[in-house]
Amino acid sequence: AQKVTQAQTEISVVEKEDVTLDCVYETRDTTYYLFWYKQPPSGELVFLIRRNSFDEQNEISGRYSWNFQKSTSSFNFTITASQVVDSAVYFCALSVEGGGADGLTFGKGTHLIIQP
Amino acid sequence: DAGVIQSPRHEVTEMGQEVTLRCKPISGHDYLFWYRQTMMRGLELLIYFNNNVPIDDSGMPEDRFSAKMPNASFSTLKIQPSEPRDSAVYFCASSPSALTEQFFGPGTRLTVL
Repeated sequence: AQKVTQAQTEISVVEKEDVTLDCVYETRDTTYYLFWYKQPPSGELVFLIRRNSFDEQNEISGRYSWNFQKSTSSFNFTITASQVVDSAVYFCALSVEGGGADGLTFGKGTHLIIQP
Repeated sequence: DAGVIQSPRHEVTEMGQEVTLRCKPISGHDYLFWYRQTMMRGLELLIYFNNNVPIDDSGMPEDRFSAKMPNASFSTLKIQPSEPRDSAVYFCASSPSALTEQFFGPGTRLTVL
């Protein structure tokens, strides 16, 4: 079975600070995919990134960056120079290949509050 | 391109009533997923379909829940009879293939009194 742990329930920072959201996953499969989704106050789920288990390269997209480390089973998400619009709940998720397990296993989410 | 469409957006019903939630996936997507979000349990996969065939329904909480996908452009999630603990936001998502990005609908907020 798969498991995703987001230990940080809530994080509050002041605008322009950098913030890192932690994600630790568990799976026995060698081929898997990791995702981050954003859920703003309006409630929809917005896809941010997908990473497969064979690609450990870090990724940067504007103010967002992701650090994938298989050695620690972590897939952390950093927002640089945070803005109020970044306030949302962020979910890390995992999916494994094959075996009828194509659905996402989500972490409990981290509620990020950016104060002006 | 229209995204995933869900209806109704809000549903308030009384315990014991039948509830039907509807989803129209993105055209051309072979996979359709139903998730439930609650404060206590977070986001949980209920069931998913591949090419209209249910693949994994192990997340369906009880026999009161059933889901169908009669064709590639429509799916329903039915709760009969509904109970207050079924109150949650129900999301439908679709994806073009396995293990790719899932596109989520806006969700249906269900309240069972």
